[in-house]
Amino acid sequence: NAGVMQNPRHLVRRRGQEARLRCSPMKGHSHVYWYRQLPEEGLKFMVYLQKENIIDESGMPKERFSAEFPKEGPSILRIQQVVRGDSAAYFCASSLGARAQETQYFGPGTRLLVL
Amino acid sequence: AQSVTQLGSHVSVSEGALVLLRCNYSSSVPPYLFWYVQYPNQGLQLLLKYTTGATLVKGINGFEAEFKKSETSFHLTKPSAHMSDAAEYFCAALLSGGYNKLIFGAGTRLAVHP
Repeated sequence: NAGVMQNPRHLVRRRGQEARLRCSPMKGHSHVYWYRQLPEEGLKFMVYLQKENIIDESGMPKERFSAEFPKEGPSILRIQQVVRGDSAAYFCASSLGARAQETQYFGPGTRLLVL
Repeated sequence: AQSVTQLGSHVSVSEGALVLLRCNYSSSVPPYLFWYVQYPNQGLQLLLKYTTGATLVKGINGFEAEFKKSETSFHLTKPSAHMSDAAEYFCAALLSGGYNKLIFGAGTRLAVHP
């Protein structure tokens, strides 16, 4: 029973390029969350999605960042025109349902380095 | 603003000693509370969680935490530290009206020495 999968595990981009991060939730999970961890800090919520819907994007930067969770395929976090400050670990989590007490299971993360 | 505070960014204990990692939350309504562990270059693994019911929660690897509403705390303990417990520990809360958005503390890095 595979857990949450993320790829790539490491991504290097030059300033101005685009970064695409993928997340496949646990089997049967239809709720996906993205978090960002800056160096030496805790995780910060970015966005919560269900299939084909964005439920809460209150933590997403207003520009350059977007997320989707299509009917088929993984969830994608897209960062356009990356800057050095985007360097961080990006974690995806999934849950079975929408109840607040549902456990969020985390993937191994994608570590983005912007040169 | 609602927040989670972890006192002590670094904690060091001897193998076999008590582990105590502190977590306080600020919320007018008691939230759901979680402790996660993160090993180097890995994702987060759930240790335990408090939602409702018994305030003393037992988790994996011998860890437990007690929810104290009067102190707005959810401290993590383990009676006897093992070398394999060395990792970073995050306290998190799901706050009222938060759309399942976890609010994390800044983390506590636990070192265990022989």
